[in-house]
Amino acid sequence: KQEVTQIPAALSVPEGENLVLNCSFTDSAIYNLQWFRQDPGKGLTSLLLIQSSQREQTSGRLNASLDKSSGRSTLYIAASQPGDSATYLCAVGDNDMRFGAGTRLTVKP
Amino acid sequence: NAGVMQNPRHLVRRRGQEARLRCSPVKGHSHVYWYRQLPEEGLKFMVYLQKENIIDESGMPKERFSAEFPKEGPSILRIQQVVRGDSAAYFCASPSNPPGQGPTNEKLFFGSGTQLSVL
Repeated sequence: KQEVTQIPAALSVPEGENLVLNCSFTDSAIYNLQWFRQDPGKGLTSLLLIQSSQREQTSGRLNASLDKSSGRSTLYIAASQPGDSATYLCAVGDNDMRFGAGTRLTVKP
Repeated sequence: NAGVMQNPRHLVRRRGQEARLRCSPVKGHSHVYWYRQLPEEGLKFMVYLQKENIIDESGMPKERFSAEFPKEGPSILRIQQVVRGDSAAYFCASPSNPPGQGPTNEKLFFGSGTQLSVL
């Protein structure tokens, strides 16, 4: 059974810092890995999707990497802004999507 | 949310009542996932449906919970005889692929969720 773990559970940084969020999964036989953002009381917004054959994806200040052999993914956020404050969830795609518990990010002005 | 619609946005029920949650995926799309998010926890997969078929219900509780996605109309997640532990946010999601293609390797788009509160 696939298990997805995210570390840290919460992170607070000053504005402008670069930061890394971590995601690990137990079963490397995946189709894809997806990073989402969730704002309080809202649904999820897809940020980046990495296919199983890919190693990374970039969108603006976001870069996500995937290492299937070690069961790890990282989400790198450059030059963080207060508007980046949210919970970030990674999800591993198999026949369905299995989610980690998320990292709650706070970027202080 | 790419057009994934959920209603109601908030639902309050007393213990023992029934809760019906609705989800309409992007128009013309035929795959729907349901997830539950308990307070301070991640999303838990419940069920994956295609039109008129349940593909994977491995995350559904054995009792009181059921889901359907009829040929016409939205997908329905039904919870009978609700208990306080059912209080959670329920999200549905639809893959971004065009109709007729499989759901893998595609972005998932989520609805805004239904917040169920059981008194």
